[in-house]
Amino acid sequence: DSGVTQTPKHLITATGQRVTLRCSPRSGDLSVYWYQQSLDQGLQFLIQYYNGEERAKGNILERFSAQQFPDLHSELNLSSLELGDSALYFCASTPGVGNQPQHFGDGTRLSIL
Amino acid sequence: ELKVEQNPLFLSMQEGKNYTIYCNYSTTSDRLYWYRQDPGKSLESLFVLLSNGAVKQEGRLMASLDTKARLSTLHITAAVHDLSATYFCAVGFRGSTLGRLYFGRGTQLTVWP
Repeated sequence: DSGVTQTPKHLITATGQRVTLRCSPRSGDLSVYWYQQSLDQGLQFLIQYYNGEERAKGNILERFSAQQFPDLHSELNLSSLELGDSALYFCASTPGVGNQPQHFGDGTRLSIL
Repeated sequence: ELKVEQNPLFLSMQEGKNYTIYCNYSTTSDRLYWYRQDPGKSLESLFVLLSNGAVKQEGRLMASLDTKARLSTLHITAAVHDLSATYFCAVGFRGSTLGRLYFGRGTQLTVWP
């Protein structure tokens, strides 16, 4: 158990809809990272937050947004969903922004019908 | 463009054999990580390599880093079935936002009796 909690584990929805994925980092970790894993793109970095502030942005679509709240949990919002958004979405956390390995949650599997 | 390339992408090996997975990256890095992922599961941190010549070992797995060659290797000794999984290398590049990692496509390892 990595200590990173992601909910829900599975989401099934339709095209055009909007969903919110939630992540609680390990106790004491200030940095949260979001990744998308799909068969064709592999593991893609989306966005990073540190102590409530956005620190880095990767291949995140404009339809996607995220935030980190004062209690350090984070949410990834996906809107106007398309079939191609079907993927496994991971959250990871670290204490800071140094060299510590990122600890990953179990992921949320999103299926778009 | 920052790239991380792993090879092979698929590896099928017999129990008891040795093999090496390679991870090449395109520009100067200050940290490299190896992760393991079981099917449908999260990513588990295996090794953190932070300096040229770094070598880390855990059980039948040994990871090394050559920053001059921009190459890391993950060596498997006397493989056993329990090592069957997908192995990812992930690289942090100097000059990029601290914390962001670039992942290889992964090496899917199958160990058979």
